[in-house]
Amino acid sequence: KQEVTQIPAALSVPEGENLVLNCSFTDSAIYNLQWFRQDPGKGLTSLLLIQSSQREQTSGRLNASLDKSSGRSTLYIAASQPGDSATYLCAVGHLSSNTGKLIFGQGTTLQVKP
Amino acid sequence: AAGVIQSPRHLIKEKRETATLKCYPIPRHDTVYWYQQGPGQDPQFLISFYEKMQSDKGSIPDRFSAQQFSDYHSELNMSSLELGDSALYFCASSSTVFRGDEQFFGPGTRLTVL
Repeated sequence: KQEVTQIPAALSVPEGENLVLNCSFTDSAIYNLQWFRQDPGKGLTSLLLIQSSQREQTSGRLNASLDKSSGRSTLYIAASQPGDSATYLCAVGHLSSNTGKLIFGQGTTLQVKP
Repeated sequence: AAGVIQSPRHLIKEKRETATLKCYPIPRHDTVYWYQQGPGQDPQFLISFYEKMQSDKGSIPDRFSAQQFSDYHSELNMSSLELGDSALYFCASSSTVFRGDEQFFGPGTRLTVL
């Protein structure tokens, strides 16, 4: 059974710091991995999608990497800003599913202090 | 750009009542997924549809049913509501049921069962 874990559960950093969020999954048989942002009580905003054949994706200050063989992904946020404060979720699409359903981690709650 | 629309955004029901949640996917998206996110929990997959047919089923109680209509919108029907059904319900859409396609999430419907 695929399990997704995110460490740390919470993180507090001063504005301007570069930071890394970690996501690990137990079964490397995935076809993609998506990173999402969720503000309190709000919906999920897709940040980056990495296909299983890719090693990384970049969007602005965000860079996500994928090491399928070790079951790990990282989300790198450069020059953090207070507006980056939110919960970040990673989710994997497992090869055992033919239909694309996502399995989520429990998220890392980030606070960026001004 | 058009996004996934969910209605209502908030819903308050009493125990044993019935609720219907609606999802309107992004235009030209033919696949819809439903997820449930309990308080402090990660989203859990409930059910998905492709071309108006159920394509996958997760941890969806027998009290819940869903369908996708000819215009690709989907409805999640929940009967005999229980306190534990209180959660944020997300709908996501993608352009095809095949694995690897990005899922776009709606803002969610917050269901409160009293």
